[in-house]
Amino acid sequence: GAVVSQHPSWVICKSGTSVKIECRSLDFQATTMFWYRQFPKQSLMLMATSNEGSKATYEQGVEKDKFLINHASLTLSTLTVTSAHPEDSSFYICSAGPHADTQYFGPGTRLTVL
Amino acid sequence: GESVGLHLPTLSVQEGDNSIINCAYSNSASDYFIWYKQESGKGPQFIIDIRSNMDKRQGQRVTVLLNKTVKHLSLQIAATQPGDSAVYFCAENSGSGNTGKLIFGQGTTLQVKP
Repeated sequence: GAVVSQHPSWVICKSGTSVKIECRSLDFQATTMFWYRQFPKQSLMLMATSNEGSKATYEQGVEKDKFLINHASLTLSTLTVTSAHPEDSSFYICSAGPHADTQYFGPGTRLTVL
Repeated sequence: GESVGLHLPTLSVQEGDNSIINCAYSNSASDYFIWYKQESGKGPQFIIDIRSNMDKRQGQRVTVLLNKTVKHLSLQIAATQPGDSAVYFCAENSGSGNTGKLIFGQGTTLQVKP
């Protein structure tokens, strides 16, 4: 099946720094990708929809200035957590698919903010 | 409001037994449902899906049942194996068109006892 990769798989950073997470579709093009966040023992919560060539669409309650999304090409979306704080520590997962009906999830990125 | 939830947070079964994981959804406009399996530290893995014009769909060792009358979804796993131990999530499309955006339920942890 289709493969979606994320980089890095884990990252530890100091409070106040920014962290960039990449999501790539390896064998298909995706005009839309999705970013989710998952806290321990909780479900996935959609953060935003990444749109190639246009601005991302954020879910209610998600700060667009804190979670910067750039869909630079048809195979790459990046999520930058700006001025990270310990409460931003979470598992960040992206999804993409060749069709809207078929979403493949990346392996996730574990962010720990000290 | 829109939500997808699960009845039981943890299900413990004996190896070889059948497992049934339940899910309730509240958005009657949703027309596409998916079950995902998530192992610790990994992204969700697609198991099986079903559209609202169907009430049953079978895969390899798995069956999904959809009851639109009571807005209930279930995943049946036959002959459960230790490798089936994971968290299982149901998800629905947003109900506002097929965008690829998914709403996840809270998840059920399946524990398979050898």
